[in-house]
Amino acid sequence: DAGITQSPRYKITETGRQVTLMCHQTWSHSYMFWYRQDLGHGLRLIYYSAAADITDKGEVPDGYVVSRSKTENFPLTLESATRSQTSVYFCASSEYRGATEAFFGQGTRLTVV
Amino acid sequence: QQQVKQSPQSLIVQKGGISIINCAYENTAFDYFPWYQQFPGKGPALLIAIRPDVSEKKEGRFTISFNKSAKQFSLHIMDSQPGDSATYFCAASISGGFKTIFGAGTRLFVKA
Repeated sequence: DAGITQSPRYKITETGRQVTLMCHQTWSHSYMFWYRQDLGHGLRLIYYSAAADITDKGEVPDGYVVSRSKTENFPLTLESATRSQTSVYFCASSEYRGATEAFFGQGTRLTVV
Repeated sequence: QQQVKQSPQSLIVQKGGISIINCAYENTAFDYFPWYQQFPGKGPALLIAIRPDVSEKKEGRFTISFNKSAKQFSLHIMDSQPGDSATYFCAASISGGFKTIFGAGTRLFVKA
């Protein structure tokens, strides 16, 4: 199916564990983004990528790592999960940089216990 | 300066009424102002967007009003329907930049 898919949809992990959230898009969009959504904060940018092997920090990057070896994949890794990282995570992609539509995945609800 | 302030946090409107959500920004470099609609369990999806060279943009029942001097913009949903019940996010970004700044969101409930 064309589009942007995230996996898993739901994840429960323990404090201190490493966890990776997957994101895959079929449009060959150059730009990809990871956001976290928390009540009262809207969507906050964690990391973004302009192309394969090009990534940069967003507003809230601490505790997260990304990679982008292929254009279509943009995994997000929590190196040592903390309770404050309990959130809903959204991956997004866009064809152009800057002022343009972003297409979002359905999200991953992560709970750190 | 990078913030986008959105109000109200939640809104209840009768079917057929007008829903109004307001946003304010400070960074005058912003030049693209989208609104995203999010249904429960789904990711946000672009609803309508405006650039500061126009004061209003209308698409069906959805209208963005933009006041450049006041650095404010708002979403009006005319003839609100129960199917419009969702969370709405305003946002702002800069052409050529990578980052989109989102407001905190407004949960709209339209009563049948």
